[in-house]
Amino acid sequence: QLQLLESGSGLVRPSQTLSLTCAVSGDSVGSGSYSWSWIRQSPGTGLEWIGNVFDSGAGRYSPSLKSRLTMSLDRSRNQFSLTLTSVTAADTGIYYCASFSEYSYGFDYWGQGMRVTVSS
Amino acid sequence: DIQMTQSPPTLYASVGNRVTITCRASQSISSFLNWYQRKPGKAPKLLIYAASTLQSGVPSRFSGSGSGRDFSLTITSLRPEDFATYYCQQSHSVPYTFGQGTNVEMK
Repeated sequence: QLQLLESGSGLVRPSQTLSLTCAVSGDSVGSGSYSWSWIRQSPGTGLEWIGNVFDSGAGRYSPSLKSRLTMSLDRSRNQFSLTLTSVTAADTGIYYCASFSEYSYGFDYWGQGMRVTVSS
Repeated sequence: DIQMTQSPPTLYASVGNRVTITCRASQSISSFLNWYQRKPGKAPKLLIYAASTLQSGVPSRFSGSGSGRDFSLTITSLRPEDFATYYCQQSHSVPYTFGQGTNVEMK
C-alpha cells in the first residue's frame, strides 16, 4: 500500500515561487505502475488537477498552469516535486499529492494535504 | 475542458436510505469516470473507477453506473460513516476535471 506525504513552504509571498515535495513509500516512483499527481483545492472552489509526472520524468500539465509549472521526479529519494512560479492569492489552497493508477485511471492514493497560503 | 456537473449539491438522508448522486459530463467520456468520498479534514478516497468498478476494500453498498455523458453513484443502505462529500472525476482527457461535489447530510 502506498503512502504519500507532502512537505514544503506553507507561506509564499505573491510573485514568488511555490515549492512542494511528496515523499512516496510502498513503491518506487520509477516503477511505471503510477504517474504522480498534484491536485489542489482553493477556498470556495472544487478540486483542481494540476498535473502528472511520469516515471520517465515527462510531465502532463493543466493548460491553465502550464506556463508557471514544473514537476519532477527524484528517484534516489523516491519523491516527486512541484514548482509553481509567479504565485498570486488565487494559488492559495490545500495541495494534495496523489498516485494516478495506469490501470484504473484513478487517483487511488493521496497524501494528507498541505495548506499553502499566498500572502505578503 | 470537460465540465462535470453533479446533482444535487446537497442531499439530506437518513441511515438506511438508498441514495443516488448523478454526474453529467459536457461531452462523452466513455467510461473514464471515477467517484471519490471525502470527509472533513481528510483527503479524498477513491470509491469507484471506470464508472462501475469497486475499488479494493470499498463496501459493496456502493455502486456506480453509466457511460458516455451520464453517470450515477448509489449507496444502497446509508450508514453513519457515509455522511461525506462525494465527487465525480473524468480521466478521459486532460485536464482531468472534478465535479463540484455532493454533500450527503443527515436529515
